[in-house]
Amino acid sequence: SQQGEEDPQALSIQEGENATMNCSYKTSINNLQWYRQNSGRGLVHLILIRSNEREKHSGRLRVTLDTSKKSSSLLITASRAADTASYFCATPPLSGAGGTSYGKLTFGQGTILTVHP
Amino acid sequence: DSGVTQTPKHLITATGQRVTLRCSPRSGDLSVYWYQQSLDQGLQFLIQYYNGEERAKGNILERFSAQQFPDLHSELNLSSLELGDSALYFCASSVGDRANSPLHFGNGTRLTVT
Repeated sequence: SQQGEEDPQALSIQEGENATMNCSYKTSINNLQWYRQNSGRGLVHLILIRSNEREKHSGRLRVTLDTSKKSSSLLITASRAADTASYFCATPPLSGAGGTSYGKLTFGQGTILTVHP
Repeated sequence: DSGVTQTPKHLITATGQRVTLRCSPRSGDLSVYWYQQSLDQGLQFLIQYYNGEERAKGNILERFSAQQFPDLHSELNLSSLELGDSALYFCASSVGDRANSPLHFGNGTRLTVT
């Protein structure tokens, strides 16, 4: 089963609007990562937020993490048509010692974002 | 460009056949990961290698095998292919062996089994 679940499954907005995607996960994490995938292409890493961080920014991207609710959100501000893609959250397993285990990143089903020009 | 190279880009083959997918990781990365992406299952982790050694195993079928060579490139072997094996197969690489740094993905190999 998927660790992360994105919401909504699909989002359609106009250029210039903001897009917010949410991710919920089930088990404790050490970090959470967001990736983008253009149709038929490989995933591109966007941002990594650690469990002791609550918010992180990168350009037009803002990611929040609420470990008490086991949820994260990705906000894209002033969206562009080029932002049209699928967005995935991904979480790694914890090791027995509470650190990050080997690289089995578990991905959610993704949010399909369409930005209309 | 992620720096991860996957070949071939497309592969069409018949049921029962065997294929090999190849991946060259980004320069300096020691870990290689294989993922399968299909419409119904999403992105499924198959296996991870670090500096030639298997590090983690996911939902990899017994018909599938992988290895990482001394030059760090990796191959994923799929045998006795079934229609359900049709999917996008991605290779990713990272510097370390822990999932606490970004993964860099190749553009995938699209496998079609007819």
